[in-house]
Amino acid sequence: NAGVTQTPKFQVLKTGQSMTLQCAQDMNHNSMYWYRQDPGMGLRLIYYSASEGTTDKGEVPNGYNVSRLNKREFSLRLESAAPSQTSVYFCASAAGTGGETQYFGPGTRLLVL
Amino acid sequence: DQQVKQNSPSLSVQEGRISILNCDYTNSMFDYFLWYKKYPAEGPTFLISISSIKDKNEDGRFTVFLNKSAKHLSLHIVPSQPGDSAVYFCAASALWNNDMRFGAGTRLTVKP
Repeated sequence: NAGVTQTPKFQVLKTGQSMTLQCAQDMNHNSMYWYRQDPGMGLRLIYYSASEGTTDKGEVPNGYNVSRLNKREFSLRLESAAPSQTSVYFCASAAGTGGETQYFGPGTRLLVL
Repeated sequence: DQQVKQNSPSLSVQEGRISILNCDYTNSMFDYFLWYKKYPAEGPTFLISISSIKDKNEDGRFTVFLNKSAKHLSLHIVPSQPGDSAVYFCAASALWNNDMRFGAGTRLTVKP
């Protein structure tokens, strides 16, 4: 039982390049989330998916797209990376929505030059 | 706007003493509050939670207190242990939506 897994662990991009961050969970959770963590800012919600086939914007969605490929997988795509997207990205999942406890992956550290 | 605030970036306590981490929120619609613990190079892990119908929740050495009128919650760790050294995030959400808001975190150092 791996919980929430994320790939890659670390990535360096040049401005304008694109990439997809992958996330998978094996807990049969309905909800999945993408956050970014920046110094002094805590975690900020980028996008979430309350169930397979649905996605919604969070607090900071600009510059990102997501896909809920199936119940297990939720990917985050940066179409044209910018230095402001340098951050640590965390994926999380929860059994339900609202007040359900979220379980986090180990994070992806992204550096955009 | 930061709807959840942790005003102390860091806290240092002696092993065996009490650690008190504080959190304030501004959104009166929040009705579920959580504390997460984070070690370096790992994702946050759930520690303890409290719903707005309670004012206290206890789990072993960890107790969370909620003061709804003051929009304030605190996490007490008694006794503190060196393994508790980590960054602690306060989080809040409304039960009817997915938008969980996090504070900036407090780095706790427990000295042996």
